[in-house]
Amino acid sequence: GAVVSQHPSRVICKSGTSVKIECRSLDFQATTMFWYRQFPKQSLMLMATSNEGSKATYEQGVEKDKFLINHASLTLSTLTVTSAHPEDSSFYICSARTPGRGLYNEQFFGPGTRLTVL
Amino acid sequence: GENVEQHPSTLSVQEGDSAVIKCTYSDSASNYFPWYKQELGKGPQLIIDIRSNVGEKKDQRIAVTLNKTAKHFSLHITETQPEDSAVYFCAASIRFSGGYNKLIFGAGTRLAVHP
Repeated sequence: GAVVSQHPSRVICKSGTSVKIECRSLDFQATTMFWYRQFPKQSLMLMATSNEGSKATYEQGVEKDKFLINHASLTLSTLTVTSAHPEDSSFYICSARTPGRGLYNEQFFGPGTRLTVL
Repeated sequence: GENVEQHPSTLSVQEGDSAVIKCTYSDSASNYFPWYKQELGKGPQLIIDIRSNVGEKKDQRIAVTLNKTAKHFSLHITETQPEDSAVYFCAASIRFSGGYNKLIFGAGTRLAVHP
């Protein structure tokens, strides 16, 4: 399958600071990328859908000013957690969908970023 | 809203036995059904998927079946091995207003394969 990378894999920051997470599709161009959040022993919660060159579409209840998403190119999307607080601590996972028309295309996930806010 | 139900939440089998995980979906327009395996501390890995124009798909020890009428699909793992131990998620594609698609995930099944 296609490869999606994420950086950093782990980050610890102080409350009030901002953290940027990068997501890259390494061997394909992804017109659509997704950002998920996952709490321990729970399923994946979609935060936003990111399309290259346009504004991200946020899910209900996700603050767009808190979680800034930029999809600057066909292989890179970034998530910035602004003014992070302890409750933002979580496992953040990006995903990229292979391009194409017609039926839904395959979606591949990155390895995730463990964010801890002190 | 649209949802995907997944059962069981935990599954324990002996090495060599088969494991079956079942999911039901609510949106009759869903046309893509992937299965992901997630190991501890890692991102989900796509292991198999099926589209609405087929009823069954097999890849070595894993297979997926789809019943569109009943709106359910299942993952079958045969000859299980300890390295199959992980959390498995099913998902169904949902088409939303504006023309974009996204996946709705089940709650996950924690599979433990005992030697």
